Amino acid sequence: KAGVTQTPRYLIKTRGQQVTLSCSPISGHRSVSWYQQTPGQGLQFLFEYFSETQRNKGNFPGRFSGRQFSNSRSEMNVSTLELGDSALYLCASNIAGGDSPLHFGNGTRLTVT
Amino acid sequence: QQQVKQSPQSLIVQKGGISIINCAYENTAFDYFPWYQQFPGKGPALLIAIRPDVSEKKEGRFTISFNKSAKQFSLHIMDSQPGDSATYFCAATNTGNQFYFGTGTSLTVIP
Repeated sequence: KAGVTQTPRYLIKTRGQQVTLSCSPISGHRSVSWYQQTPGQGLQFLFEYFSETQRNKGNFPGRFSGRQFSNSRSEMNVSTLELGDSALYLCASNIAGGDSPLHFGNGTRLTVT
Repeated sequence: QQQVKQSPQSLIVQKGGISIINCAYENTAFDYFPWYQQFPGKGPALLIAIRPDVSEKKEGRFTISFNKSAKQFSLHIMDSQPGDSATYFCAATNTGNQFYFGTGTSLTVIP
């Protein structure tokens, strides 16, 4: 079974621009979660989508948004990029419910200059 | 507010030694506690997980010890190897499917 796929792997953007990151979950997984990882900050939860609905949301500004499609694929968008948005963005999927661990992709490394 | 507190931040162990990473939580609604291992350039990968009705779970050289009354759980890596050098994250979740992660422990195993 294919794992979680994230594209692109690397992105370089300029302050003020916007960016869209893509995530394809494991087949059969209906929940997709997004995390921001920065050195020393660990994994900061952005949001979780289940059946095309945002079910949980972390404490990030409205510049961070996401959506999920009917095939469970998800996109994350960051508008008006700031230097502090430079991070590794991780997508994870799971079945949701019960003892269902998150399965992570290898992330998108975003650099804002 | 950090829902899951993890220590130490970094750990250096000799090859063959025991690595111990500790985590603590406050929310008694948490009912699933996974540990993840992350290598540079990769996403975190599930290592081992436990439910609070079990006090210990062992898989190979990796053991989770769980103390429900103290709201603490720990990862023990026996016979640590250089290949175990990675960052380890503990996590906790409940039926709401929101996972809370510790801040990570960078483990270095010296040959």
